[in-house]
Amino acid sequence: NAGVTQTPKFQVLKTGQSMTLQCAQDMNHEYMSWYRQDPGMGLRLIHYSVGAGITDQGEVPNGYNVSRSTTEDFPLRLLSAAPSQTSVYFCASGHRGRSYNEQFFGPGTRLTVL
Amino acid sequence: GDSVTQMEGPVTLSEEAFLTINCTYTATGYPSLFWYVQYPGEGLQLLLKATKADDKGSNKGFEATYRKETTSFHLEKGSVQVSDSAVYFCALSADYGQNFVFGPGTRLSVLP
Repeated sequence: NAGVTQTPKFQVLKTGQSMTLQCAQDMNHEYMSWYRQDPGMGLRLIHYSVGAGITDQGEVPNGYNVSRSTTEDFPLRLLSAAPSQTSVYFCASGHRGRSYNEQFFGPGTRLTVL
Repeated sequence: GDSVTQMEGPVTLSEEAFLTINCTYTATGYPSLFWYVQYPGEGLQLLLKATKADDKGSNKGFEATYRKETTSFHLEKGSVQVSDSAVYFCALSADYGQNFVFGPGTRLSVLP
């Protein structure tokens, strides 16, 4: 059981470049989400999905796209990177249906946009 | 909307000192409450949780009690160790397991 995996661990982009952050989980979780973590601001929800084919926006969705074609994978796409997107990105997953269900986090991707 | 407030850090303690990190929340309905811990260079991991009023969550010597009357979920540990140095996040979930709301985090440093 690998849990939640994220690739890459580190990435440096130039302004305007695009890239995809990968996230996968092997726990058959319905719910998956992406957060960004910035100093002094905690975790902010970017996008989430409650199942394959269903996605929705979180608190800070601008500049990011997601899709959920399978239960296991939930990639995050940056279409045209900006310096404001320099951050640490965490993917998380969990079961739906009960508020007491915890979320499981991946190790994070540290992104720098120059 | 729902929100979580935590005491500002950083918090610096000596080994074996008593720890309290305050957390209060605002939510409609009856949320579940969580404490997550993030060690340097790692993702968040669940430390403890409580799902209803007066529940006490505990793990690794840490405790927190769900106080509905004061909308609080303060984290405590009687004797901290250097290995407890980390960032601690209070969080709530009030939407059938979707859309956690996290506090800003409190950085704890424990000195030998």
